[in-house]
Amino acid sequence: DAGVIQSPRHEVTEMGQEVTLRCKPISGHDYLFWYRQTMMRGLELLIYFNNNVPIDDSGMPEDRFSAKMPNASFSTLKIQPSEPRDSAVYFCASSLNRGYEQYFGPGTRLTVT
Amino acid sequence: GENVEQHPSTLSVQEGDSAVIKCTYSDSASNYFPWYKQELGKGPQLIIDIRSNVGEKKDQRIAVTLNKTAKHFSLHITETQPEDSAVYFCAASDVIGNRDDKIIFGKGTRLHILP
Repeated sequence: DAGVIQSPRHEVTEMGQEVTLRCKPISGHDYLFWYRQTMMRGLELLIYFNNNVPIDDSGMPEDRFSAKMPNASFSTLKIQPSEPRDSAVYFCASSLNRGYEQYFGPGTRLTVT
Repeated sequence: GENVEQHPSTLSVQEGDSAVIKCTYSDSASNYFPWYKQELGKGPQLIIDIRSNVGEKKDQRIAVTLNKTAKHFSLHITETQPEDSAVYFCAASDVIGNRDDKIIFGKGTRLHILP
């Protein structure tokens, strides 16, 4: 398996623009997680899905953030409109089940100017 | 909700010496404690985990200990090598109960192995 795939790897955009991050989890994994990593706040869980259903989105910072998982092999995290404080590395991870290893993707480095 | 505190935030160790990273958690229901290693430019990767029915677990140069009473757990790396330089995260979660509990990560420890 190729592991968790994220695209794009780098994204530079201007404030106010819409940003869409994409993730393909490992086949057969039932759980998918979106994290944001910054120097100040560390690794924050934004939202996670179980069998394509959002379970906990309490980490989503505000209504500008939304995430979807239309099928077992694809998820998106959208920011609209983007702001400079959204600049961070966004990771997608998947796991077989609760209590199992989370496999992280390589991350998307987002810069909002 | 769960809160995980990790320290130190930065640790420098001479190559060949041991390194210890400590974490505390707040939710007594937590029963799964993984440790992740993040190398520069990559996503975190699981290196070892421990569950609440075990007090210690070893894997070659890496060991983790858990004290449920005190609600703290530690990562021990012996005979450190240059490739151990990375950021290490501890985490805690309840994976047995019915709460569909999310995993909470510590803020991370940047480990430098000095030549």
